[in-house]
Amino acid sequence: GAVVSQHPSRVICKSGTSVKIECRSLDFQATTMFWYRQFPKKSLMLMATSNEGSKATYEQGVEKDKFLINHASLTLSTLTVTSAHPEDSSFYICSARPLEVYNEQFFGPGTRLTVL
Amino acid sequence: KNEVEQSPQNLTAQEGEFITINCSYSVGISALHWLQQHPGGGIVSLFMLSSGKKKHGRLIATINIQEKHSSLHITASHPRDSAVYICAVLLTQGGSEKLVFGKGTKLTVNP
Repeated sequence: GAVVSQHPSRVICKSGTSVKIECRSLDFQATTMFWYRQFPKKSLMLMATSNEGSKATYEQGVEKDKFLINHASLTLSTLTVTSAHPEDSSFYICSARPLEVYNEQFFGPGTRLTVL
Repeated sequence: KNEVEQSPQNLTAQEGEFITINCSYSVGISALHWLQQHPGGGIVSLFMLSSGKKKHGRLIATINIQEKHSSLHITASHPRDSAVYICAVLLTQGGSEKLVFGKGTKLTVNP
């Protein structure tokens, strides 16, 4: 089956530093990847849609300068949380949509970010 | 009102019981997903439905497009089925698409 990986799975950083999270589709190509955020006991919320070779589309209320997204290849998208603050602590999940199946998404295992 | 409503929010069952989780949505969709999230956080896609019924092992998912309702059934439940089950609908708006998630149903299956 289709596999999506995320790295790192868990990261702890100091306030003010930047953190990069990678999302890779391991056995398929994905023109579109999605980044979600999940607060404790809450639904996943879409942050942005990442399209290979073009700028990401951010959801309302998500700061594009705060959450930098780069989708440089058909198998890799990165999310960089810049100048992280404790309120950025959350569970970040990516998903990838295969080229051939427009309404299917495969989810990564998530990245737990803790900002001290 | 949330676009996606799940019920129940919490469900406790004894091993072997038949489980039903419901999902109702209020908007037109192009597809509906059932996802499973284990305590570690990782999400597994169980089903994607646009009509009818799908079965995989002990899991069955149905959708009624007219009634805007979907159900996830687990037969012969097992403690390893304990997880949060999330319903998500795929909306297509202005040429783009996005998944909108329910709040999830936390299932605990006791031995």
